[in-house]
Amino acid sequence: DARVTQTPRHKVTEMGQEVTMRCQPILGHNTVFWYRQTMMQGLELLAYFRNRAPLDDSGMPKDRFSAEMPDATLATLKIQPSEPRDSAVYFCATSMAGGTETQYFGPGTRLLVL
Amino acid sequence: AQSVTQLGSHVSVSEGALVLLRCNYSSSVPPYLFWYVQYPNQGLQLLLKYTSAATLVKGINGFEAEFKKSETSFHLTKPSAHMSDAAEYFCAVSGSGGSNYKLTFGKGTLLTVNP
Repeated sequence: DARVTQTPRHKVTEMGQEVTMRCQPILGHNTVFWYRQTMMQGLELLAYFRNRAPLDDSGMPKDRFSAEMPDATLATLKIQPSEPRDSAVYFCATSMAGGTETQYFGPGTRLLVL
Repeated sequence: AQSVTQLGSHVSVSEGALVLLRCNYSSSVPPYLFWYVQYPNQGLQLLLKYTSAATLVKGINGFEAEFKKSETSFHLTKPSAHMSDAAEYFCAVSGSGGSNYKLTFGKGTLLTVNP
């Protein structure tokens, strides 16, 4: 049963600290999306990658957020420095481009910045 | 440009009653349309999708949705609600094929099922 995995599942940190969230795509999926979910804004697309190259990161605050794919099995989202307003659930989703673009979501990382 | 409007942020039904969750979309290209479900503290799970084949799409857990181009709608229905259907439901749109990989989500509809 192929699934997207995300670590950590929960993270509590203090303002100003660096936060790193990780995502392992489903094997063979070449497109990775990062979303943020909050009560106020709903689901927001932060960035996405195709074949490890960034295609669009316009939804991401550039001054503190960064997203990378060091290899095909790992995507990372970093926040440095973190702020209380970054508290949210961050989802990774992956898909196989060239099909119907169905995105498969991971369980999310629930981040609380104090 | 694409957008999705889900009418009703909260829908409450009785167990055994019809479930109807509304979704209207806007898209400048022929759309692909999706319904996802999110259970508490979990990620989103695909219920069903429309990809320009049959306009009536059947999904998991007894749900189905009908694509109506003239009404720009993709409403989700289930004939008889179960307690286990209580969750949040999201409608989403993307462009069909080409290089449009992005999903645009609606704000979500929270479904409550009363015994």
